[in-house]
Amino acid sequence: AQTVTQSQPEMSVQEAETVTLSCTYDTSESDYYLFWYKQPPSRQMILVIRQEAYKQQNATENRFSVNFQKAAKSFSLKISDSQLGDAAMYFCAYRSARAGSYQLTFGKGTKLSVIP
Amino acid sequence: DAGITQSPRHKVTETGTPVTLRCHQTENHRYMYWYRQDPGHGLRLIHYSYGVKDTDKGEVSDGYSVSRSKTEDFLLTLESATSSQTSVYFCAISVGPSGDFKNEQFFGPGTRLTVL
Repeated sequence: AQTVTQSQPEMSVQEAETVTLSCTYDTSESDYYLFWYKQPPSRQMILVIRQEAYKQQNATENRFSVNFQKAAKSFSLKISDSQLGDAAMYFCAYRSARAGSYQLTFGKGTKLSVIP
Repeated sequence: DAGITQSPRHKVTETGTPVTLRCHQTENHRYMYWYRQDPGHGLRLIHYSYGVKDTDKGEVSDGYSVSRSKTEDFLLTLESATSSQTSVYFCAISVGPSGDFKNEQFFGPGTRLTVL
């Protein structure tokens, strides 16, 4: 079974600075998808960014980018120019590309605080 | 907005009582999921459905049952609620066919269930 590990339960960043959240995963598969979800205090789960394992290029979405290291099974999220609205729980998630495997496996989350 | 609603949004019940949570979607997506979220555990899959009357177990299915008699509704039932089932429950849907990278999951707003 796949596992996802987020080793930083809590992190903080100054407004306008850059922060990196770590995620590692364990799988024997070669094709899969990785995601970062944001959960603000409203509790809504919001997809931040996605990465296909077969793509070597790191995904970017505006101020959010990832560092995907397939051999190391690492998938970190970098948030640039941090804003107060970035304060939230962030979850890393894994999904197999195998037909019939639809569910997401989540890490335990990292709580990000943004200091004004 | 994937048109996902959950009801009720909050519920307090007593140990031993049956509880049913409803997930409703408006866009006829085939795949639907129930997750629970607990502190220190992230989100864990309870059950999922890949069509009307087609369901399967997830990681933490003990004590839960599901039903899907029509495309738009996915019901989660706790036959006899226990305090360990106090949690936040999220419904999710998948967009796109199996294997499609764009098959990301969209989440409902969540239901907070407290079992006394």
